[in-house]
Amino acid sequence: GQQLNQSPQSMFIQEGEDVSMNCTSSSIFNTWLWYKQEPGEGPVLLIALYKAGELTSNGRLTAQFGITRKDSFLNISASIPSDVGIYFCAGRPYSGAGSYQLTFGKGTKLSVIP
Amino acid sequence: NAGVMQNPRHLVRRRGQEARLRCSPMKGHSHVYWYRQLPEEGLKFMVYLQKENIIDESGMPKERFSAEFPKEGPSILRIQQVVRGDSAAYFCASSPGLAGGHSYNEQFFGPGTRLTVL
Repeated sequence: GQQLNQSPQSMFIQEGEDVSMNCTSSSIFNTWLWYKQEPGEGPVLLIALYKAGELTSNGRLTAQFGITRKDSFLNISASIPSDVGIYFCAGRPYSGAGSYQLTFGKGTKLSVIP
Repeated sequence: NAGVMQNPRHLVRRRGQEARLRCSPMKGHSHVYWYRQLPEEGLKFMVYLQKENIIDESGMPKERFSAEFPKEGPSILRIQQVVRGDSAAYFCASSPGLAGGHSYNEQFFGPGTRLTVL
């Protein structure tokens, strides 16, 4: 089955710094989604990407769908303490059986030092 | 504007008992997905349902696990004869389906049910 490699696993940054994380896949995806999860809660959708090369912003967050369809990255600019959480990439495969399910990366745990 | 609702939020069961997890999708959403999350891991797909139909159950164990999404009422994930390895957070997500345009790709998650098996 598909696998998503998400990196880095964890990050400790100073408030105000920019953050970058990425996901790579062993196969083609037709949709990339980025979620944030806080302790004891479900993932919250941040950004959805549908076309190769697409660059989409949501406030201080920017995400891109890689040209090869096998990768995506998420940037957070000017981090603040409330950015703390675990960020997950998720993708839907290009076609075929099971194409409605999302495959998740293992997450990037972000800690922001005030 | 209620989101996806799940209950209970926490469930404790002894080995051999049954666990029933409920999920009410967002208003207007006809597609429901169940995922399992182990500590320090991402979410793993279990099953995808539309009203009264199981579309894809490829991620669900063949034994002891079942899911339904009846015409009326919430979706139910049922685990029979629970074992310690079933302890995890179980998340439900919903999406509007193909009529929602691109948004059918977007799955919105509930707060999860944390199952602990003693």
